Amino acid sequence: GAVVSQHPSWVICKSGTSVKIECRSLDFQATTMFWYRQFPKQSLMLMATSNEGSKATYEQGVEKDKFLINHASLTLSTLTVTSAHPEDSSFYICSVILGGLAGGSSYEQYFGPGTRLTVT
Amino acid sequence: EDQVTQSPEALRLQEGESSSLNCSYTVSGLRGLFWYRQDPGKGPEFLFTLYSAGEEKEKERLKATLTKKESFLHITAPKPEDSATYLCAVQAGRGSTLGRLYFGRGTQLTVWP
Repeated sequence: GAVVSQHPSWVICKSGTSVKIECRSLDFQATTMFWYRQFPKQSLMLMATSNEGSKATYEQGVEKDKFLINHASLTLSTLTVTSAHPEDSSFYICSVILGGLAGGSSYEQYFGPGTRLTVT
Repeated sequence: EDQVTQSPEALRLQEGESSSLNCSYTVSGLRGLFWYRQDPGKGPEFLFTLYSAGEEKEKERLKATLTKKESFLHITAPKPEDSATYLCAVQAGRGSTLGRLYFGRGTQLTVWP
């Protein structure tokens, strides 16, 4: 598998401020990372696909100007929540994919430990 | 539209009482079906990948099986430490972002002594 870390593990910020969350692939060079959001007692919802060296691809309904993603290296992707509001409070999780041999093999996905964001 | 449905939503078992969790799916061109375990406040932990109907995989007290329409996660003689939310996800082929997973809502398993 792949080892993925996130920093910080939890953060509290005031409404209107911005928060940056880091996702690092510790033992694997990840050209693609995913960012998810999870609300209490709900499953993971994909927010965006982060590609190294190019613009992120956002899911429908996710504001790209509010959730800024930067994938500047093969081991680091960042998610910045700009002008955060209480409704942005959630558990944010990143993942990396491993695999992808030619011929249609699936891509195993490994997740970070998550970041709990609370906006007051 | 690709969909993943897990049942039951919650399951309470006594220690040693075996049971199964279900994941049914509709997806265009299945590349793989994944099972994850998630503990409260943590990210999902990878358990299994299944690629084709008839495939089975085992890990300790867990066994995952796959048919053309659903997957089962069998838990044999569970222990309290098996308590967690078990997530099922599928990876589609045609017309899908490479590597993208579609998740079910999960089954929250509680095993009491």
